[in-house]
Amino acid sequence: GEDVEQSLFLSVREGDSSVINCTYTDSSSTYLYWYKQEPGAGLQLLTYIFSNMDMKQDQRLTVLLNKKDKHLSLRIADTQTGDSAIYFCAESPNYGGSQGNLIFGKGTKLSVKP
Amino acid sequence: DTAVSQTPKYLVTQMGNDKSIKCEQNLGHDTMYWYKQDSKKFLKIMFSYNNKELIINETVPNRFSPKSPDKAHLNLHINSLELGDSAVYFCASSLTVPGTTNEKLFFGSGTQLSVL
Repeated sequence: GEDVEQSLFLSVREGDSSVINCTYTDSSSTYLYWYKQEPGAGLQLLTYIFSNMDMKQDQRLTVLLNKKDKHLSLRIADTQTGDSAIYFCAESPNYGGSQGNLIFGKGTKLSVKP
Repeated sequence: DTAVSQTPKYLVTQMGNDKSIKCEQNLGHDTMYWYKQDSKKFLKIMFSYNNKELIINETVPNRFSPKSPDKAHLNLHINSLELGDSAVYFCASSLTVPGTTNEKLFFGSGTQLSVL
């Protein structure tokens, strides 16, 4: 079955880079996503990558995709205390024409120390 | 001008009661969802509706009944609440049908349900 795995915790110092890793199982996923959840709030889409891309950069965010290893990572440069949140990786499985849905990982809690 | 709004934000109730959570989106999206996030922050889809029709129905107890009066609204009614129903319930919407193309989800801020 489909599964998305991520480590549960990451702690970094302010100003350092953070790298959050994710592995997924469905190689047919067309898009892969990173969502951010701040305390007491809903998830917000941070960024996404199309499966035929290796890398996508958006300001401080860099997404790397290794399709062969089914590995996705999110790098946050110059991490700030405001980046403290839970980050969810999600894949969009393609069920060959039938309806699918986003499969979320369990979330990585990023703590940024001043 | 909240995009996806759900009410109430907090819901505290006794076991056995029946309760509803409402959700509305003003984005003009065709698809709406209910997700459940448990105390360990695991997020699981429950239902998805496209243009008022049910398209995803994961294995949830039939005490949970979604209702979509129009494509901008998807309400969740829960009968005979149990302790294990305590969680945060998120409504979401997307422009596209799941699995067809880039289905960016827009989430509401959640309803924290506590069953005593």
